[in-house]
Order: sequence, then structure tokens, then C-alpha cells
Amino acid sequence: GAGVSQSPSNKVTEKGKDVELRCDPISGHTALYWYRQRLGQGLEFLIYFQGNSAPDKSGLPSDRFSAERTGESVSTLTIQRTQQEDSAVYLCASSFQSTGTYEQYFGPGTRLTVT
Amino acid sequence: DQQVKQNSPSLSVQEGRISILNCDYTNSMFDYFLWYKKYPAEGPTFLISISSIKDKNEDGRFTVFLNKSAKHLSLHIVPSQPGDSAVYFCAAVRDNFNKFYFGSGTKLNVKP
Repeated sequence: GAGVSQSPSNKVTEKGKDVELRCDPISGHTALYWYRQRLGQGLEFLIYFQGNSAPDKSGLPSDRFSAERTGESVSTLTIQRTQQEDSAVYLCASSFQSTGTYEQYFGPGTRLTVT
Repeated sequence: DQQVKQNSPSLSVQEGRISILNCDYTNSMFDYFLWYKKYPAEGPTFLISISSIKDKNEDGRFTVFLNKSAKHLSLHIVPSQPGDSAVYFCAAVRDNFNKFYFGSGTKLNVKP
């Protein structure tokens, strides 16, 4: 009964470098979300995948951010040319999307520090 | 655009007493509200939810109340236990929409 896993758990990178964050959702979950949580703030929606539909990218803060998901499996969030303001915990969540069911299962997050 | 707000960053309660965590929202179109609990270094875990057609939902020690006219919801924990010490987030979503809006969280400390 594996939950949502994310890797790496911590990432320290230099400003200007690219980083790739990985999320393994719960098997069978059709929906996958990426969130960002800055220190002392709430979860900020980044992107949503549902099956083979076009992703909802409306939360991505800039074109330096992109994400991919193959089918209903692993997703990667890529941040290019990282900036210090990108420092945050990046959380992934998955759910079995059905009407009236909105419970999401979160991974432990990746703490990104840009120096 | 903060559509969901938790105005109390922290709350301290004595063990055995009631904890009341509050959440306000601005969008009257939200259909569903959820509460999540988060321990340090872990992802949030789902606690309890409520549909906008209800005004109360109870699950054991946890009860969520929804006041649509005031655009306010609250989470009651009775009796509070030290293991309840965590950060609590409220979230809201519109039915058939993908975007969840989260509050900034309230850190609950239950003192033994």
C-alpha cells in the first residue's frame, strides 16, 4: 500500500541551474497535482493532470516551470534557470477523481533551496 | 488572490478542551471544503470534508461547520489531544473544477 512518493526529498541548487522533481502517484489514481508551499504560506496550485486530458497549467508562475506526466504514472516538474524565489517545498498529490470525491493524497514533498 | 483565508496562524489549547480552527472564503461558487492536517516533514493528510449543501459534518472527534451566508467554516476538535498538534489547512474547490484553493494554515499546539 505505497502512498505518493517524491524525490529527491531535499535539493540544494545554485541560482541559474535547472532542477527536476519527481512524483510517483498512488497506482490507479487518475488525477495528479503539483503545489508549491513557500515558508509560512499556504499551498499554491501549480498544475493538474487528469488522465490523458490536456493539463491545467494555470498555476504555473512563469515559463521557467513545466511539468510532464505519462499516462497515469510518474510526473516530473522541471524548473529552468532557478531563482532564489523558487525556494519552497514542492508537494505532489494524487486522487481518484470522481464526482463528489475530492480527497487528495499528498507526498512528503521536495524541499528546494536555491542559493 | 487569496480566496481562502485562515487568519489565525497559531492556536494553543489545553489537552481535553475544544480546539476551534477557522477559515473564511470569498468565492460563493465553492462547492466543497476540506480540512487537511500536516505534521513537519510530511505531506498534508486529509481529515474531513463538507459539501456546500450541508452545514455540518462529523467524524469522531472532528466536526466541520459551514456557514455559507458568512462564507465561513470551522473545524472543531473535541476533546483535543497532544497528537493533534499539527498545522491545519482548509481548502475549497468548485465542483468539476480542478483548482483547489488552500488557506495559509493554523498551527495547533495541544498542551498536555
